[in-house]
Amino acid sequence: EPEVTQTPSHQVTQMGQEVILRCVPISNHLYFYWYRQILGQKVEFLVSFYNNEISEKSEIFDDQFSVERPDGSNFTLKIRSTKLEDSAMYFCASSEGSWVTEAFFGQGTRLTVV
Amino acid sequence: AQTVTQSQPEMSVQEAETVTLSCTYDTSESDYYLFWYKQPPSRQMILVIRQEAYKQQNATENRFSVNFQKAAKSFSLKISDSQLGDAAMYFCAYRSTNTGNQFYFGTGTSLTVIP
Repeated sequence: EPEVTQTPSHQVTQMGQEVILRCVPISNHLYFYWYRQILGQKVEFLVSFYNNEISEKSEIFDDQFSVERPDGSNFTLKIRSTKLEDSAMYFCASSEGSWVTEAFFGQGTRLTVV
Repeated sequence: AQTVTQSQPEMSVQEAETVTLSCTYDTSESDYYLFWYKQPPSRQMILVIRQEAYKQQNATENRFSVNFQKAAKSFSLKISDSQLGDAAMYFCAYRSTNTGNQFYFGTGTSLTVIP
C-alpha cells in the first residue's frame, strides 16, 4: 500500500542552524502539506503546496520556513535559522486533489533544537 | 477559526470491551468533514473513519463507529470489541469545504488496551 515517508525520523540541531526535513508523498498525489505538533499541543497546519507553489500557509509559516519540491518526488521543509520553539514533531501529508477529503500522513520527523 | 477539542488526554479499555473517545468542535460553517485518525507508536497517522456533515447517518467502519451530533458539534468515536492493535493516539480532525485544504486537529487521546 502506498504511503508517505519522511526522513529523518529524528533530527537534533543546534539553535541557529538550518534544517531540511524530507518527505516523499504518494506518487500520484497533487497536494502536499506540512503540519507540526509541539509536545502536548495540537497538530497545527503550516503550509499546503500545489502545482509547485504554496496554496495556503498559516501564521506560523513565516520567513524562516520554506518548502520546495526539487525533483518531482521529494517535498522538503526548510527552517533557515532554528529556534528552541521550533522543536516539534513535523508531519508531511499528501492528497490526490482538493476535491478529495482524505489526506495521507507520514510518520513524522521529531525535530529537537538544542 | 475552527477549533477541535479532545477532552480526554488518555483513555484505557479492556480487550474486547467498548470505549468511546470524545471530540467537540466549533465552527460557523454548515458543510464540512470530520475525521478520526489513528497514530500507532512511531507510525504514521492512518484514517480510521470520516463523516460528511451533510449526512445524517453516522459513519461506520467495521468495529469503529461515530456518534455525530451536528447541533451539539460533537463527534465521538466508538471502538467495539477492542483489540491490542487499537492501542494508539487518536486524533479528531475537522476539514472545511470552503477555506482550503487544511485540517484542524485536536490534541489527541492516547488509548491503552489492557489485555
